[in-house]
Amino acid sequence: RKEVEQDPGPFNVPEGATVAFNCTYSNSASQSFFWYRQDCRKEPKLLMSVYSSGNEDGRFTAQLNRASQYISLLIRDSKLSDSATYLCVVNQAGTALIFGKGTTLSVSS
Amino acid sequence: NAGVTQTPKFQVLKTGQSMTLQCAQDMNHEYMSWYRQDPGMGLRLIHYSVGAGITDQGEVPNGYNVSRSTTEDFPLRLLSAAPSQTSVYFCASSYIARDTQYFGPGTRLTVL
Repeated sequence: RKEVEQDPGPFNVPEGATVAFNCTYSNSASQSFFWYRQDCRKEPKLLMSVYSSGNEDGRFTAQLNRASQYISLLIRDSKLSDSATYLCVVNQAGTALIFGKGTTLSVSS
Repeated sequence: NAGVTQTPKFQVLKTGQSMTLQCAQDMNHEYMSWYRQDPGMGLRLIHYSVGAGITDQGEVPNGYNVSRSTTEDFPLRLLSAAPSQTSVYFCASSYIARDTQYFGPGTRLTVL
């Protein structure tokens, strides 16, 4: 089983749609969780950290389920500018961060 | 404040050549790392360092060397380039390993 798994997509949605991405991780000792965004041919940038109680940043909501080892990202009211690849990232045993392969989102008008 | 810088942005090598990819950060971060990104493979950790003088291997270290003589710099050396090392290389830094990573803009390397 891969350490961090994501549905690669692509997810093709119209503007204004709500879209959800899921991610599972294999190491139950993982402590830190993030969603990063990567635009085409650019470096990854932090979108948001994921906290146990769930957290929201504007149109973005992240949730963590430690029992199921599952992380989600919900994007409401999608914009054209949300088109990107979204990377699920999990800390591994206090050292390196492990990146999922990413989920591609394409928002169309 | 430049953040994380990488040079060069693009590089073409012939098989067997060696070169060093440069990475520097000005945020006084202790933790630095190198990733490679290939289509369909995601970001894979090559080497990392938790502080000056300390380095360790990641998931795909073969063919690469690193050193960390200062907090600011973390160069990645390709010893004898192979076509399988054609990739985009990202350097990243953070205060500690499990913290938010700040990435450089990447080096696009082609090995012929």
